[in-house]
Amino acid sequence: KAGVTQTPRYLIKTRGQQVTLSCSPISGHRSVSWYQQTPGQGLQFLFEYFSETQRNKGNFPGRFSGRQFSNSRSEMNVSTLELGDSALYLCASSLLGLAGGRTSLGSYNEQFFGPGTRLTVL
Amino acid sequence: TQLLEQSPQFLSIQEGENLTVYCNSSSVFSSLQWYRQEPGEGPVLLVTVVTGGEVKKLKRLTFQFGDARKDSSLHITAAQTGDTGLYLCAGQSRRDSSYKLIFGSGTRLLVRP
Repeated sequence: KAGVTQTPRYLIKTRGQQVTLSCSPISGHRSVSWYQQTPGQGLQFLFEYFSETQRNKGNFPGRFSGRQFSNSRSEMNVSTLELGDSALYLCASSLLGLAGGRTSLGSYNEQFFGPGTRLTVL
Repeated sequence: TQLLEQSPQFLSIQEGENLTVYCNSSSVFSSLQWYRQEPGEGPVLLVTVVTGGEVKKLKRLTFQFGDARKDSSLHITAAQTGDTGLYLCAGQSRRDSSYKLIFGSGTRLLVRP
């Protein structure tokens, strides 16, 4: 089974620009969560999409937005980029999403992370 | 604001030694997960603990969830160079109908041959 893929892997932008990152979850997974990882703040939750609806949201400004398509692929958009937006952006897919619980097979719901997109803002 | 504090932040040990990483919070979590992340990759889930006092073993790794579900520990016995990486704990919390996964700051482990 193919893992989570993220494109592009590396991106360089300048302040004020906008950027769109893409995430393709594992086939059959309906939940995609996005995270920002920086050396100073660590891994922080941005938002979660489940069946095309934003279901949970972290504490990030409105410049960070996302969407999910009917095939569960998700995109994250950051507008008016700032230097502090430089980070590794990770997406994670799961069967049941952050609500968790056990799958029909009895295993605990698990999030699978992609390799991330490293965004550098100059 | 819910916080998860991990300690130590950095750990450099010799192969064969034992180590323990701690994850502490003042908040209660419905479950707690441990991940390992290697350079250039996303975190990989090692274990999920859901019951207070629960202990899970994964080969040489032992995970414990505190009785009050506010803290957790990861113990590695006879560390190997392949254990090198960033270890992250993450607590799942629920407020009203909103769920969040809150990550600790991480423990960077280097196992020297």
